[in-house]
Amino acid sequence: DIQLTQSPSSLSASVGDRVTITCQASQDISNYLNWYQQKPGKAPKLLIVDASNLETGVPSRFSGSGFGTDFSFTISSLQPEDFATYYCQQYDHLPSFGQGTKLEMK
Amino acid sequence: EVQLVESGGGLVQPGRSLRLSCTASGFTFGNYVINWVRQAPGKGLEWVGYIRRKDYGGTAEYAASVKGRFTISRDDSRRIAYLQMNSLKIDDTAVYYCARGLEFSSGWHAYWGQGTLVTVSS
Repeated sequence: DIQLTQSPSSLSASVGDRVTITCQASQDISNYLNWYQQKPGKAPKLLIVDASNLETGVPSRFSGSGFGTDFSFTISSLQPEDFATYYCQQYDHLPSFGQGTKLEMK
Repeated sequence: EVQLVESGGGLVQPGRSLRLSCTASGFTFGNYVINWVRQAPGKGLEWVGYIRRKDYGGTAEYAASVKGRFTISRDDSRRIAYLQMNSLKIDDTAVYYCARGLEFSSGWHAYWGQGTLVTVSS
């Protein structure tokens, strides 16, 4: 099974900050890596597909990059509605999720 | 509009069974992989399993934590996917989501249900 390790597990930041989350796969997954945002009591929302493609309707302040085993997710200028938990997910073989990164207001 | 609605959750004793349903609308159900994902209270997301479309065998894959206990099936005529959960354990307590995959793989999940809570407790 492919393990995904997200870093950091939690992050404190302020509105306007630039934040980056990393996701490392235990083996090469090409670009089969997606990113989700989840708010309390809600289903996850898809943000980025195949490492770097913004899902339709998602603001351009969100971006992703990476290939192989190392991936990153960036919010260029944090907005109040961005405080949430973020997950990476791979689908190279059997799917799996990273453990999540909780983004909190400083 | 694509919609997925889970149902069937509730309180169940350890060792017992429960069947969840995922009822879909707004898309050609039989053309897509359907995933089940769960989230234990206060924890992260865990993929549970998925079922392929019928013309690709209609077979399912499972996470190691549920393999042999859980079974996913689908009724394309009724647009419903099922998650049959047997030999339930306390650790199976979670919100269970169904999520639409892609046509030929689990892929990414653009559409999710609202989730249904399963509580395993004596």
